[in-house]
Amino acid sequence: GEEVAQTPKHLVRGEGQKAKLYCAPIKGHSYVFWYQQVLKNEFKFLISFQNENVFDETGMPKERFSAKCLPNSPCSLEIQATKLEDSAVYFCASSQSQGYFNEQFFGPGTRLTVL
Amino acid sequence: LAKTTQPISMDSYEGQEVNITCSHNNIATNDYITWYQQFPSQGPRFIIQGYKTKVTNEVASLFIPADRKSSTLSLPRVSLSDTAVYYCLVAYNNNDMRFGAGTRLTVKP
Repeated sequence: GEEVAQTPKHLVRGEGQKAKLYCAPIKGHSYVFWYQQVLKNEFKFLISFQNENVFDETGMPKERFSAKCLPNSPCSLEIQATKLEDSAVYFCASSQSQGYFNEQFFGPGTRLTVL
Repeated sequence: LAKTTQPISMDSYEGQEVNITCSHNNIATNDYITWYQQFPSQGPRFIIQGYKTKVTNEVASLFIPADRKSSTLSLPRVSLSDTAVYYCLVAYNNNDMRFGAGTRLTVKP
């Protein structure tokens, strides 16, 4: 597709429950990025993939967060045992193969609310 | 610690030129500067990217001085629809992606 698709649009979980978010990058884009936007504005980089391989995971809280990008499947971000502070909008972005720092195309985001 | 800093908010009037400056003191030789625009309930949208001197496209210009420790996004003749949050993004040392906290631009009639 020509747009990055993210599902679901909204997700509500009780503390301790699992949350799984999905992202379909633009067809032909090699890089996928996940970001967390909290406090309305602040973006935090979580992880990036080059095709199905992790490219940079320096932003991932590894004890509870995991992510995958498998061939012929949407990418996913999973949070085990959610905490209140995980409440945020999670954005996925993709970029073309020419370079990791090229223009990123963002999806509409998934709003996660942890109660 | 690498940090990307920009003003929290700015006000302007329709038809004026708006300049938003981003500070990135720890930028390295090969790091790029990218600006994004975000409307409420939407993902950020790419505006412009640059490495040095000046870059211009159909919507904006990006000015980067010789020391590259800051950059200025210039929006010519803003309209009401330019009201949004503008983010500066620097990927320090090609792997440390840091967005600024965003500048909320309000364009008034």
